[in-house]
Amino acid sequence: GQNIDQPTEMTATEGAIVQINCTYQTSGFNGLFWYQQHAGEAPTFLSYNVLDGLEEKGRFSSFLSRSKGYSYLLLKELQMKDSASYLCAVRDSNYQLIWGAGTKLIIKP
Amino acid sequence: IAGITQAPTSQILAAGRRMTLRCTQDMRHNAMYWYRQDLGLGLRLIHYSNTAGTTGKGEVPDGYSVSRANTDDFPLTLASAVPSQTSVYFCASSRGTSDYNEQFFGPGTRLTVL
Repeated sequence: GQNIDQPTEMTATEGAIVQINCTYQTSGFNGLFWYQQHAGEAPTFLSYNVLDGLEEKGRFSSFLSRSKGYSYLLLKELQMKDSASYLCAVRDSNYQLIWGAGTKLIIKP
Repeated sequence: IAGITQAPTSQILAAGRRMTLRCTQDMRHNAMYWYRQDLGLGLRLIHYSNTAGTTGKGEVPDGYSVSRANTDDFPLTLASAVPSQTSVYFCASSRGTSDYNEQFFGPGTRLTVL
């Protein structure tokens, strides 16, 4: 079966750095997405990786290793507004997105 | 309209009733999707449409139907609602289905079936 694993919850301090990991086992791979979802709101797109390596976008970076079935999202200079759930999703061989359950990130002052 | 909209925002429904959730996008996206989101689970695909006039079944299609008569609209119908269909429903759209084509999400419909 297809499976996306992420930690359920993480806590970090304002101004610090946090890394959210995602491991996947899917039928085929056509890219990995990270989305942010604030409580009670819709998911919004953060990043996309299809090749191995690091993609940097401001305070957020995403890394992919296809051979290991592994990705992480790195958030730097954490702000209170970064408190949200972070969703990892893999596009499979049918070009459909398979979603992890999400990691709830709690930022403490 | 800007982006993707859903209606209603929330609904309480008696079991056995028929219900249609509406979704409209103004981005001229080819592909549209319906997901449900339940606590502790990832988003699960119910039905999708890669282009107007075509639809396909996702991971959890039972009890749901869709139609895609035009590019903009993608309604989801529950023929006879059951309590297990209590969930938050998100409609999404994307320009296409391949490569770098992110999905844009509507604000969601919170449905409670009693």
